Amino acid sequence: GESVGLHLPTLSVQEGDNSIINCAYSNSASDYFIWYKQESGKGPQFIIDIRSNMDKRQGQRVTVLLNKTVKHLSLQIAATQPGDSAVYFCAEFTGGSYIPTFGRGTSLIVHP
Amino acid sequence: NAGVMQNPRHLVRRRGQEARLRCSPMKGHSHVYWYRQLPEEGLKFMVYLQKENIIDESGMPKERFSAEFPKEGPSILRIQQVVRGDSAAYFCASSDGQGGQPQHFGDGTRLSIL
Repeated sequence: GESVGLHLPTLSVQEGDNSIINCAYSNSASDYFIWYKQESGKGPQFIIDIRSNMDKRQGQRVTVLLNKTVKHLSLQIAATQPGDSAVYFCAEFTGGSYIPTFGRGTSLIVHP
Repeated sequence: NAGVMQNPRHLVRRRGQEARLRCSPMKGHSHVYWYRQLPEEGLKFMVYLQKENIIDESGMPKERFSAEFPKEGPSILRIQQVVRGDSAAYFCASSDGQGGQPQHFGDGTRLSIL
């Protein structure tokens, strides 16, 4: 679910469930997007990317969906595992810029 | 194949002191980016450097902050006369070309100001 204020939105799921993490991006001209995973005390880790000429891209256990009409990006994780517990955030790039704009992130908690 | 290495992992400084954060990019990477992450906020771009050149420092405060990436050795982010508001996690990322994606991140330096 979502929360406001200083705390990150949190999604709690049971091991084995599918997880869907959402990101509303800010710039309709953004043409490249990356999902990152950040575990506690670690740096962001690349998960999957997508360009604006696509609306879906699949990786191993992960799928990214892009809806340019409503400026929405989602990350689907199949058969979620405890090791998937982390903060997930999206990054958007505009016009070939190397400077990303990062979302604040969603905390995924997977219960065994 | 070593990834992006940052040190120290944790740094404690008193107000007014200087903080030096180091970043060694991935082998073969010559482009380095520095980001700051405040608690429960998104990463914010600070500066982009190539060997011996600052390409873009639009995200870096004009005062007290500087960055370099010398021909030999790691990239250095330097914060002079630190204040409490400088407390944050500072991440470095590297790529193999200008605008190269994805950028590979280090595990950051957690800076605490007493």
